[in-house]
Amino acid sequence: GDSVTQMEGPVTLSEEACLTINCTYTATGYPSLFWYVQYPGEGLQLLLKATKADDKGSNKGFEATYRKETTSFHLEKGSVQVSDSAVYFCALFGIIQGAQKLVFGQGTRLTINP
Amino acid sequence: GAVVSQHPSWVICKSGTSVKIECRSLDFQATTMFWYRQFPKQSLMLMATSNEGSKATYEQGVEKDKFLINHASLTLSTLTVTSAHPEDSSFYICSARRRVILGTEAFFGQGTRLTVV
Repeated sequence: GDSVTQMEGPVTLSEEACLTINCTYTATGYPSLFWYVQYPGEGLQLLLKATKADDKGSNKGFEATYRKETTSFHLEKGSVQVSDSAVYFCALFGIIQGAQKLVFGQGTRLTINP
Repeated sequence: GAVVSQHPSWVICKSGTSVKIECRSLDFQATTMFWYRQFPKQSLMLMATSNEGSKATYEQGVEKDKFLINHASLTLSTLTVTSAHPEDSSFYICSARRRVILGTEAFFGQGTRLTVV
């Protein structure tokens, strides 16, 4: 069935470092792809999304491009900040076994040190 | 953005009792709501999908009689954990989608931390 695989964490970086969190998916149709972020003690928030191939989602300096040829949606940021410390979830929304479902990757915990 | 309110934020209950968690879409109509369970330091596991006015669709391995889901209106879905046991202790999160075509993001409630003692 449709699934999402994320780069395993935790990931620890220094402030201003470059970030990439890998995400690949398997899907039978044409899903929409999302990155969600969960800050410490808070609920999930949508970070960015892409609904079709070659779309690029961007927000708060983060970017991800929907690559159908490599079935990937890697999250990138050129210069991270301490406030970016959170858990990041890649997600896929599509028709799975006849029903609309939002499926999450396992999450990647990111810690940014000053 | 759209707001989804989940209540309560946390609850402690005794083994054997039932707990109801509410999920409301405050400023939009949600034809579909999803219920997730999140274990510590793990991802969200989809438990069930509920559509307004119809029975919920449960994921494999989720007990229908234990986790009762009702989606009575376009703005309210409830999850009732019946005869709760300590192993049901977890973080439960709901999300709601608007009545639009595929591709719109789901909006999440703040979650409910359930502790069964």
